[in-house]
Amino acid sequence: DAGVIQSPRHEVTEMGQEVTLRCKPISGHDYLFWYRQTMMRGLELLIYFNNNVPIDDSGMPEDRFSAKMPNASFSTLKIQPSEPRDSAVYFCASSLQGFDYGYTFGSGTRLTVV
Amino acid sequence: DAKTTQPPSMDCAEGRAANLPCNHSTISGNEYVYWYRQIHSQGPQYIIHGLKNNETNEMASLIITEDRKSSTLILPHATLRDTAVYYCIVRVYNQAGTALIFGKGTTLSVSS
Repeated sequence: DAGVIQSPRHEVTEMGQEVTLRCKPISGHDYLFWYRQTMMRGLELLIYFNNNVPIDDSGMPEDRFSAKMPNASFSTLKIQPSEPRDSAVYFCASSLQGFDYGYTFGSGTRLTVV
Repeated sequence: DAKTTQPPSMDCAEGRAANLPCNHSTISGNEYVYWYRQIHSQGPQYIIHGLKNNETNEMASLIITEDRKSSTLILPHATLRDTAVYYCIVRVYNQAGTALIFGKGTTLSVSS
């Protein structure tokens, strides 16, 4: 299994531009999570899905952030418009049966907004 | 979920056992202890979890005190590749509607 695949690995964009981060979970996993990591705030949960349905989006910082999961094998996290404070590493993770089997994380997308 | 307390950093010599403590004095009876680690620039990696019995797998051992108020993750023979941030998390087993919340963890530095 190729694991959780995220793209792109690195993204540099100008303030005000739209950014889309992509994630392909492990086949068969029914939970998908989006996290953000910065030095100041550590790892923060943004949103997670169960069977493609958003369960908890209370961690999404503001309306500029949106996430979708159109099918079991693909999810996107979109920021529009982007701001310099959105610069962070964004991780996607998936798991089977929720939480007791351990999450598998992707390699992350390092976003820089200039 | 119960709060955990971990030392911010620890050092360990290569080949020696690394013992990482975690305090979770407010843990509830149905909460499990999970350990993850994050090697620089990578996503966190699941290590082990347990309820009250000691657990062992190919990566580590988890020792939970009888009163369950603290636990220790043991890496029996630490290598340089074990240098990472280690997170201790307590949460209800398979609880719908919640997800893992990461604290600041312990930065373990293994040196030769």
